Amino acid sequence: DTGVSQNPRHKITKRGQNVTFRCDPISEHNRLYWYRQTLGQGPEFLTYFQNEAQLEKSRLLSDRFSAERPKGSFSTLEIQRTEQGDSAMYLCASSLSRGHSDTQYFGPGTRLTVL
Amino acid sequence: AQSVTQLDSQVPVFEEAPVELRCNYSSSVSVYLFWYVQYPNQGLQLLLKYLSGSTLVESINGFEAEFNKSQTSFHLRKPSVHISDTAEYFCAVRVDDFGNEKLTFGTGTRLTIIP
Repeated sequence: DTGVSQNPRHKITKRGQNVTFRCDPISEHNRLYWYRQTLGQGPEFLTYFQNEAQLEKSRLLSDRFSAERPKGSFSTLEIQRTEQGDSAMYLCASSLSRGHSDTQYFGPGTRLTVL
Repeated sequence: AQSVTQLDSQVPVFEEAPVELRCNYSSSVSVYLFWYVQYPNQGLQLLLKYLSGSTLVESINGFEAEFNKSQTSFHLRKPSVHISDTAEYFCAVRVDDFGNEKLTFGTGTRLTIIP
C-alpha cells in the first residue's frame, strides 16, 4: 500500500493554457474522487468514479473541466483554457467500496497556479 | 443539501493544555462524520470517524469526538496537546444516501500549540 499519488505536485501555467493532472489511487480501490481546495477553505467535491464510470459531478465542474478514469485505475483531470480563478490545490482520494463504511484516503494534491 | 460549520478558524493552545475544536453540521438525513488532519506540507489524513454505534470515537493519538445528534455536533477534543498536534483540522460529513458518496468539509481550524 503506497498511498494515493498525484502528479505533478506543482503546476504553473499561463491563463488560457490547458493543464492535465494525474492521480494514481491505492491499488484495488474501486472509487476515486477529485476535490478542489482554495486558500482558507475546506476541500470541495468535484467528481467521483466507481471503477471507470463517472457517477457524480459537482456544479463546480464547468465545461472546461473533464475527468477520466479509462481503465478503472488511474484518473486524469484536465482543465481547458485555464483562468486565474482555477488556481487551487486539486486533491484526489480513493476508497474501497464496502457499503457505507469506506474511508477516503487523500493524495498530497497538485497545486495549480494560473498567472 | 448538507453543510458543515467550523466556527473557529484558529485556535492557539498552550502545550499540555486541553483543546476542543468545534464542528456543527446540517443535514435532512442521517450522516456519517469525519475529522481529517492536515500537517504542514502534507496531505489530508483521516483522524477518526463516526459511522454508527457508540457516539464516542477515539483516534490512536489521543483525540476523541462525540456525535451529538440533538445538537448536530461532532466536536473534537484532546485532554493534553503536544507540539506535534500543530496542524489544520477539517470536519467532514457524508450523508447516508446510497450513491451520494461525496464528503462535505468545513473551512478548517488551524490548531497552534504554544510551547
